[in-house]
Parts: sequence; C-alpha cells; structure tokens
Amino acid sequence: QSVLTQPPSMSAAPGQKVTISCSGSPSNIGKNLVSWYQHLPGTAPKLLIYETNKRPSATPDRFSGSKSGTSATLDITDLQPGDEADYYCGTWDNGLSPGGIFGGGTKLTVL
Amino acid sequence: VQLVESGGGLVQPGGSLRLACVASGFTFSDYEMNWVRQVPGKGLEWVSYIRSAGDKTYSADSVKGRFTVSRDNAKNSLFLEMDSLRAEDTGLYYCARGDIAYGLKYWGRGTLVTVAS
Repeated sequence: QSVLTQPPSMSAAPGQKVTISCSGSPSNIGKNLVSWYQHLPGTAPKLLIYETNKRPSATPDRFSGSKSGTSATLDITDLQPGDEADYYCGTWDNGLSPGGIFGGGTKLTVL
Repeated sequence: VQLVESGGGLVQPGGSLRLACVASGFTFSDYEMNWVRQVPGKGLEWVSYIRSAGDKTYSADSVKGRFTVSRDNAKNSLFLEMDSLRAEDTGLYYCARGDIAYGLKYWGRGTLVTVAS
C-alpha cells in the first residue's frame, strides 16, 4: 500500500490554531474520503472526523477536516491542553494492492 | 456498541495465534470490520478488512499470505488467524467497525501480541 505523509510533530500554545496535513496520492486521497483519529497511548483511537469533513456528535466544532486534490488537512482551533495527543489520517487506497492506510501520525504538543 | 478482543499473548517467531473480537450492541452482520495494529513506538497500521457478509477481504502487504481475516456472523465474532509470526508483528491489535474512508467509529481496547523467543 501507499503511504500517507504527516508531519511527525507539531506544537502550539493554548488558544492557537494548528493545521495537520496529510499528503497522499491519486490512488488514495485523490479517490476516497478521509478520516481522522485522535490517539492517546494505551487507549483506543477516537474517530474525530469522518467522510473528510463530518464530525461525530462527540467531536467539538474546534476540529474540522477538509481535502483538496491528494491532500487532506485537520484544523484545530482554540487549542486546549487536552488536545495533546497523536493524530492520524486514514483512507482507502485503490492502487495495485488495495487496502486501508493510515498516515504516520502527528504528535501534537500543547505548550 | 462494544468490541472486545482476545487471544493475544507471547509466541515464538514462526508461531501462530488466533485473535478474536466479539461484538455487541449492534447488528454485527450489517457492518464491515477491520483489524488495526499499533507496533510499539510506531503509529497505527491497518492490517485487514472484511466485508459484512464475509465474502471479500483485503490485507496489508506486510501480512498478506500469513494472516487471514474471517468472521462468524451467527456468533457476532471477527477473527484474525496469524501464522508465520515475526518479531515485527509485535503490537497491540484492535478490531474496529466500518470502512476506514468513511470512518472507523468503534474500536475495541485491543489485545497485545508479543512475538519473541
């Protein structure tokens, strides 16, 4: 399967905005919807954004997702200390070896 | 909705394990299911997918030919048969409901697989 590329780490102060990027290819993000997950070690990943830009009811509206071409982004506004976690994008890849793929993950630190 | 994995443990390289995931709180036979793992110190890795009826499966290249996903809808259960295990298969294995592009909304708490001699 192909790879989705995310920045390994990002940091920002409380109240600021961060944008986490997820770069893919025509066979994955270019063709499919994208989901985003928040993961704290030792716990189950939590779905943050589904179908590229939809929020489950439990996701605060500070979180938003979008896609353009072969890249997707997760925006987090009004950053809170509790947002410190690992974030992953995910999608399906329709390439030679079809299957699901996750980005490498972004460790977000709230300063 | 609840997903509970089991079957993890310590196994020697080249050995086998069978993971199970028992679902409750929803009509299991209506939903696609996945196995996802987290290798220590690394990120999430999608492992396998199975269609709701069990008639179509996909697996990551890293496990193709060694792992087999299956399900028993009558018993609300998802399985992962893991053969020819390698050290790099060590990790926490989660079952998750849905299609990754549409969002994996429900996850189990995971079962730990350790491959070591």
